[in-house]
Amino acid sequence: AQTVTQSQPEMSVQEAETVTLSCTYDTSENNYYLFWYKQPPSRQMILVIRQEAYKQQNAMENRFSVNFQKAAKSFSLKISDSQLGDTAMYFCAFMNTNAGKSTFGDGTTLTVKP
Amino acid sequence: GAVVSQHPSWVICKSGTSVKIECRSLDFQATTMFWYRQFPKQSLMLMATSNEGSKATYEQGVEKDKFLINHASLTLSTLTVTSAHPEDSSFYICSARGLTSGGSDTQYFGPGTRLTVL
Repeated sequence: AQTVTQSQPEMSVQEAETVTLSCTYDTSENNYYLFWYKQPPSRQMILVIRQEAYKQQNAMENRFSVNFQKAAKSFSLKISDSQLGDTAMYFCAFMNTNAGKSTFGDGTTLTVKP
Repeated sequence: GAVVSQHPSWVICKSGTSVKIECRSLDFQATTMFWYRQFPKQSLMLMATSNEGSKATYEQGVEKDKFLINHASLTLSTLTVTSAHPEDSSFYICSARGLTSGGSDTQYFGPGTRLTVL
């Protein structure tokens, strides 16, 4: 069974600053996907960024980038130039490529302060 | 991007009644859909995996007779909470497995349904 650990229940950052959210996971599989999802107060889950385990290059989407360390089973999310709209709960998720089931971390509540 | 809808967005019902929640993938075909339950400020808890044309696979501890799942087509899955009780009050979220425009395997989430059982 896979486990996903987010060790930071809450974080805050000043607007325009950079913040990193941590995530570690445990699995015996070699092929999988990793995701970061954002859940704002509306509770709609929004895909922020995805990473295929077989790719060494870290994924990037505009202000969002990841630091994927496969050997260490680490998958952190960096948010640059933080904006007030980034305030949300962020979930790290592991997806099994066969069954497609995802395991989620407990989430990190991020508050961007003006 | 891929869109998943859920209906209703919120529902209030009396104890003992049944409630049906629909999950639709609007612009793609989803062979697999998932149903989650989420309590306030907590993570998503997977309830079951729904595959088109076959019986759903329930996670350990989830009562299959309580939470009936039907995946009748490649774009529609339904969750029926039977004989609902106040402890079933929660936020229910569905997701559909599909491909991004770039061909990447991803889960897309519906907006969720808030169920309140009086």
